[in-house]
Amino acid sequence: DAKTTQPNSMESNEEEPVHLPCNHSTISGTDYIHWYRQLPSQGPEYVIHGLTSNVNNRMASLAIAEDRKSSTLILHRATLRDAAVYYCILRDWGGSEKLVFGKGMKLTVNP
Amino acid sequence: DTEVTQTPKHLVMGMTNKKSLKCEQHMGHRAMYWYKQKAKKPPELMFVYSYEKLSINESVPSRFSPECPNSSLLNLHLHALQPEDSALYLCASSQGGGSNYGYTFGSGTRLTVV
Repeated sequence: DAKTTQPNSMESNEEEPVHLPCNHSTISGTDYIHWYRQLPSQGPEYVIHGLTSNVNNRMASLAIAEDRKSSTLILHRATLRDAAVYYCILRDWGGSEKLVFGKGMKLTVNP
Repeated sequence: DTEVTQTPKHLVMGMTNKKSLKCEQHMGHRAMYWYKQKAKKPPELMFVYSYEKLSINESVPSRFSPECPNSSLLNLHLHALQPEDSALYLCASSQGGGSNYGYTFGSGTRLTVV
């Protein structure tokens, strides 16, 4: 799987929007962009995924750059419950069954 | 039912013990996975089962033995573990192995080997 780069950590304030960046300059045309998060003492949780178009669901929005070399996970209104480690992962369409986690990015939400 | 259930939540075992971790899902998912997670590290893939057959073993030591008795159950049998095997063991499932499917993870079994 191609590599992603995320900041080690970010801070945000409660009730404000948060933009979590991810760079994936070596992305191939068949790579899906997946986001997961892991709250303290819990298993990872699927957040969202997309291929080319921006995606929205009840948890977040995923904005994908036109050249697909970067993407941004948007939490529209951060809550304390959003404090977690966020993982941006590329998965090849029709490729390996593996979901391989990188280091991720720790999000701190201040009250 | 949209959950992956893992039991037990906590397990302490001696190095000569034999124990098993259990994972169950009733979402009709056809792929199931075991991950190992050490403190402050990302999860590491151990095994992948697809349609009840082992499809990926990430060079895991034989003291870890996975088993998939049916499409809803996944076990991890443990024998002669070492203290460094102490970790959070996570089970996950997905509708298929393809990249257009999300994974659902359980809350994990926290294993301590003494």
